[in-house]
Amino acid sequence: GAVVSQHPSRVICKSGTSVKIECRSLDFQATTMFWYRQFPKQSLMLMATSNEGSKATYEQGVEKDKFLINHASLTLSTLTVTSAHPEDSSFYICSATKGAGNQPQHFGDGTRLSIL
Amino acid sequence: SQKIEQNSEALNIQEGKTATLTCNYTNYSPAYLQWYRQDPGRGPVFLLLIRENEKEKRKERLKVTFDTTLKQSLFHITASQPADSATYLCALPHTGGFKTIFGAGTRLFVKA
Repeated sequence: GAVVSQHPSRVICKSGTSVKIECRSLDFQATTMFWYRQFPKQSLMLMATSNEGSKATYEQGVEKDKFLINHASLTLSTLTVTSAHPEDSSFYICSATKGAGNQPQHFGDGTRLSIL
Repeated sequence: SQKIEQNSEALNIQEGKTATLTCNYTNYSPAYLQWYRQDPGRGPVFLLLIRENEKEKRKERLKVTFDTTLKQSLFHITASQPADSATYLCALPHTGGFKTIFGAGTRLFVKA
């Protein structure tokens, strides 16, 4: 199998707080990890692509200083939402692939972030 | 730019019938196409990948077709069950590299 674990599943916190979300591939080494944001009834919106040991590649319009991504090992990537505000409230999902090219993505179960 | 279109209206069918979902794309000739299932509040789950040289692919009750001339993929669930109720996402590789572009998905409801 290819299991991806994402924690926490839900976060509720005050405006101005920084929130860290972890994404782990449990039974495989992930060459690449992706971070998405999803609004209700909308498609997954790619935020950034993360490769182990290198800086993440952010999509246009995504603030890298706001959404800090660290990919410390082949099994762990973290997304930190810094100084979160209510407009950052969303469903954040990570995924991981085993290799390049036509490999399916294996997703975590997402993190529901609510900023009060 | 690449565009993926899936029927935004929910599909309601009776248990036992075949569900057919459509994915259309434009401005693109992808080497492969993927289908995922997403349940509410969960991450998507990979179902099938079909390559451009494959007209059809099957997995248990699932069947996917890929028409590169029409720029369309059809996703069929035969003998549908209430447990098949979910949102189904079509996905294509981005022309630039490792990224994947997802459609907005079609919500399927199977009534018992």
